[in-house]
Amino acid sequence: ELKVEQNPLFLSMQEGKNYTIYCNYSTTSDRLYWYRQDPGKSLESLFVLLSNGAVKQEGRLMASLDTKARLSTLHITAAVHDLSATYFCAVSPADSNYQLIWGAGTKLIIKP
Amino acid sequence: DAGVIQSPRHEVTEMGQEVTLRCKPISGHDYLFWYRQTMMRGLELLIYFNNNVPIDDSGMPEDRFSAKMPNASFSTLKIQPSEPRDSAVYFCASSFRPEAFFGQGTRLTVV
Repeated sequence: ELKVEQNPLFLSMQEGKNYTIYCNYSTTSDRLYWYRQDPGKSLESLFVLLSNGAVKQEGRLMASLDTKARLSTLHITAAVHDLSATYFCAVSPADSNYQLIWGAGTKLIIKP
Repeated sequence: DAGVIQSPRHEVTEMGQEVTLRCKPISGHDYLFWYRQTMMRGLELLIYFNNNVPIDDSGMPEDRFSAKMPNASFSTLKIQPSEPRDSAVYFCASSFRPEAFFGQGTRLTVV
């Protein structure tokens, strides 16, 4: 069974701290996506990682992909309250025609 | 482009009624996905289309659910008859690879 596991599922942290969200997956893939969802809102694409070793950064967020370890990380640097949201990773299996397998999401709360 | 457009944004209906959700994908996108999101089950893929053709509907929970894509700019998800357990947020997303873009969702409440 194809699985995408995120951890932690819930994270409460103080502003200014650094932390990492992990996304492990069980199938061969070189396409991984990170999305953000604010409460009651839609999902917004953050990063698209398309090869082993890919690293992308936007502001205080940085995502990386290790296809050999089947692991992606989303690193938050010096967190600010505006980054509070639920973060999802999704994997497109190699033979999937771009179907996405989703993680359960990590709910991130950043306290002032 | 205005993005993926879904309607209605909110729908409240009585059990047993037919519900139709609508989606206009981003022009030029060749994949269209219907998802359902609940607190208990998270984000579930119901069905997806490629070039207006249904590719995988294994996520459609029951025969009460049906989806169509008559042309490249329009898709519907129909529930008939609706039940309280169908209450959820339904998202439509479209893609031209590699990433999918989501609509604002339809919050369905069946009472």
